[in-house]
Amino acid sequence: KAGVTQTPRYLIKTRGQQVTLSCSPISGHRSVSWYQQTPGQGLQFLFEYFSETQRNKGNFPGRFSGRQFSNSRSEMNVSTLELGDSALYLCASSLVGGSNNEQFFGPGTRLTVL
Amino acid sequence: QKEVEQNSGPLSVPEGAIASLNCTYSDRGSQSFFWYRQYSGKSPELIMSIYSNGDKEDGRFTAQLNKASQYVSLLIRDSQPSDSATYLCAVTNTGGFKTIFGAGTRLFVKA
Repeated sequence: KAGVTQTPRYLIKTRGQQVTLSCSPISGHRSVSWYQQTPGQGLQFLFEYFSETQRNKGNFPGRFSGRQFSNSRSEMNVSTLELGDSALYLCASSLVGGSNNEQFFGPGTRLTVL
Repeated sequence: QKEVEQNSGPLSVPEGAIASLNCTYSDRGSQSFFWYRQYSGKSPELIMSIYSNGDKEDGRFTAQLNKASQYVSLLIRDSQPSDSATYLCAVTNTGGFKTIFGAGTRLFVKA
């Protein structure tokens, strides 16, 4: 069974631009969560989607948004990029999320904002 | 108080020893607890999940959960240099749709 895939793997953008990252979950997994990982803050929860609905959101500004499609693929968008948005963005999928939420991570997208 | 706290380390143990990694959490309603391993430059990979009080063993790994003390631990027996990585404790909040990760403990296993 193929794992979680994320595209692109690397991105370089400049301040003020916007970016869209994509995540394809493991086949059969319907829950997708997004995380931002930086050396200083560790893994920070962005949001979780299930059946095209956002069920929970972390403490990030509205510039960070996401969506999920009917095939469970998910995208996240960051608008008006800031230098501090440079990070590794990780997507994780699980069967249905919820209390038995074993998540499997993709390889991540490394975003650099100049 | 952080929601999930871990000692950042580094924790250094000799090859063959037992490595003990600890984690505390603040949400008393949490029901699901996980340990992930992350090698440098790689994404986290799931090692263990535990949902009820007590011990759960899987090969060289044992997870321990004490909900009354809001404490989770991971023991690695017969530590190998290949176990050198950052170990992340993760806790799913009440309601279960948000997983909070600790900052991780760096483990070094010396050959």
